[in-house]
Amino acid sequence: NAGVTQTPKFQVLKTGQSMTLQCAQDMNHEYMSWYRQDPGMGLRLIHYSVGAGITDQGEVPNGYNVSRSTTEDFPLRLLSAAPSQTSVYFCASSYHGSPTTDTQYFGPGTRLTVL
Amino acid sequence: SQQGEEDPQALSIQEGENATMNCSYKTSINNLQWYRQNSGRGLVHLILIRSNEREKHSGRLRVTLDTSKKSSSLLITASRAADTASYFCATESAFNDYKLSFGAGTTVTVRA
Repeated sequence: NAGVTQTPKFQVLKTGQSMTLQCAQDMNHEYMSWYRQDPGMGLRLIHYSVGAGITDQGEVPNGYNVSRSTTEDFPLRLLSAAPSQTSVYFCASSYHGSPTTDTQYFGPGTRLTVL
Repeated sequence: SQQGEEDPQALSIQEGENATMNCSYKTSINNLQWYRQNSGRGLVHLILIRSNEREKHSGRLRVTLDTSKKSSSLLITASRAADTASYFCATESAFNDYKLSFGAGTTVTVRA
């Protein structure tokens, strides 16, 4: 298994540009989520999904959209990039629907810089 | 808002020494997890402790949970250079099983 994969690894955007961060898992996990990590802070939850066709907001959803059309993929879209969205983005998944009772598997991260 | 907070923020120890870090949280929980993050990498799950457990071991790791004090500790015994990493505790956000909340982490440096 490849586990959780994320593309790209690095990205530089200009303010106002849009882009999609890709996340895929091949473990047939029900739960997938996106976090952002800023210096000196823990991970903050952006959006999550408990299964295909179901998504919900996390702690910091503004400026981001998600969709879950398949079990494997959970892309994160930045609608109009802002410098405040400069961060490292992590995708995670777990087998069952609740991340609090199950091991979360993390991808390697995407380092995004918005100029 | 973050549910858990780790203490200390940073810790530097000699190889072979023990490392202890603490996590305090605000609201009642069902489970608490600890994760490790090596520099520039994603997080790796270390251990999960349930609210009805007081202590759990995994190799050189020992985790305790005191629900009356809303706190947990992670002990790494006989530390190695490879233990150099950031360690995070994670709990469910206030009564929401679908949202995992992470603290800011403890950065551990093990000196050879």
